[in-house]
Amino acid sequence: DTGVSQDPRHKITKRGQNVTFRCDPISEHNRLYWYRQTLGQGPEFLTYFQNEAQLEKSRLLSDRFSAERPKGSFSTLEIQRTEQGDSAMYLCASSSDPNGYGYTFGSGTRLTVV
Amino acid sequence: AQSVTQLGSHVSVSEGALVLLRCNYSSSVPPYLFWYVQYPNQGLQLLLKYTSAATLVKGINGFEAEFKKSETSFHLTKPSAHMSDAAEYFCAVTPGGDSSYKLIFGSGTRLLVRP
Repeated sequence: DTGVSQDPRHKITKRGQNVTFRCDPISEHNRLYWYRQTLGQGPEFLTYFQNEAQLEKSRLLSDRFSAERPKGSFSTLEIQRTEQGDSAMYLCASSSDPNGYGYTFGSGTRLTVV
Repeated sequence: AQSVTQLGSHVSVSEGALVLLRCNYSSSVPPYLFWYVQYPNQGLQLLLKYTSAATLVKGINGFEAEFKKSETSFHLTKPSAHMSDAAEYFCAVTPGGDSSYKLIFGSGTRLLVRP
C-alpha cells in the first residue's frame, strides 16, 4: 500500500475558475477526511466520509465547496468560483478507526488563486 | 469546545540540546491527544498519541510527551535535537463523544535546529 495519494500536488488557478482535487485513501480505510491548512496555521476540519456517506460538513465549507466519495473509494473536492481566500493546502486523510487516531495523511494539494 | 494552544510559534535549539515544545489543551472530557510533525510541502506524520493509558507516551524518532491533567498540558520533548528534527510540529485533540473522529489542531510550532 502506498498510503494516501493526492492529486495534483500543486494547482495555480485564476480567481473565478473551478478546481477539483482528488484523494485516493488507503484501500482498507472506510473513513476519509478533508482538512484545509492556511499559511502559519494548523489544519482545520472540512468534511468527513464514512464509506460513501458524507457525515459532517464544517461551516468552513461554503456553498462553493462540494465533496464526494462515490462508491466509498476515492474522493473529490471541488471549489467553484475560486477566491483568493481559498488559497491553502488541502489535506486528505483516511483511517479505519473511529476515534481520531490511526489517521494517515496525504501530502496535500497546494492551491494558489491568483 | 475543545481546543489546543501551542506556546511559541518558533523554537530554536542547538543540535544536541533538549527539545521542549509546549501544548495546553482545553477539554471538558478526557481527551485523546496527539503530536504530528510536518516537513516542508508534506502531509502530517503522527509522532505519538495519548489515549488514557500511560501518561508518559513514547513516540517515533526519540520523542515523548507527558500528559498532565492538573496542568492540562501535553508537552513534547526530545533529549537531544538532531538536524533532521527541523520541521513544524502540531498538537491536536479530539472533541470526544460523537465527534471523536475529528482532530482539532493547534497553530503549530516551527522547530529550528542550529548546528
